[in-house]
Amino acid sequence: ETGVTQTPRHLVMGMTNKKSLKCEQHLGHNAMYWYKQSAKKPLELMFVYSLEERVENNSVPSRFSPECPNSSHLFLHLHTLQPEDSALYLCASSPGLAGNEQFFGPGTRLTVL
Amino acid sequence: GENVEQHPSTLSVQEGDSAVIKCTYSDSASNYFPWYKQELGKRPQLIIDIRSNVGEKKDQRIAVTLNKTAKHFSLHITETQPEDSAVYFCAASSNDYKLSFGAGTTVTVRA
Repeated sequence: ETGVTQTPRHLVMGMTNKKSLKCEQHLGHNAMYWYKQSAKKPLELMFVYSLEERVENNSVPSRFSPECPNSSHLFLHLHTLQPEDSALYLCASSPGLAGNEQFFGPGTRLTVL
Repeated sequence: GENVEQHPSTLSVQEGDSAVIKCTYSDSASNYFPWYKQELGKRPQLIIDIRSNVGEKKDQRIAVTLNKTAKHFSLHITETQPEDSAVYFCAASSNDYKLSFGAGTTVTVRA
């Protein structure tokens, strides 16, 4: 695998379920990001990690919990989500925080019933 | 926080014609302005970016202009081709990594 990969690609969950999204980057980057992409809305930055430390938490509800165990892996743990949380969740990485292109993964299409 | 407005939301052009997408931003401290292209069902990819110390940047058929005084920047695509059909997102940032995106422009190139 090359670039940024995400699993699963599709996820359907009930409001009482707990699930996790996984992102892995094979680029040797030090920064990783979670974005939410909803139809007809701008991409929303959720979290930023640099060298496994969270540097940005963009007023995201606590039902979304990120985890970055190392610079290659990023998780988004989900619990008690709402139907309005249904969206495409994109992971991205960059070499560092300063002045670098962000490389996106293919996304996880999440549907909350 | 930063607010980025993008227009138009949809754009249809004849193959060979030019396409222009405009964005405005609110934070005068913003100094980094990337443009991403997202083809249907695919991931966003950076196509060009510009920093506030430059007024214009070109890369083959793509160019970006920046007017810091007016706080707006534009993407220009010349000699459009069918493969240019996609959603284009502008973004602005004052610290390089915290990108605020526009809502996107769906570009359709008619053959």
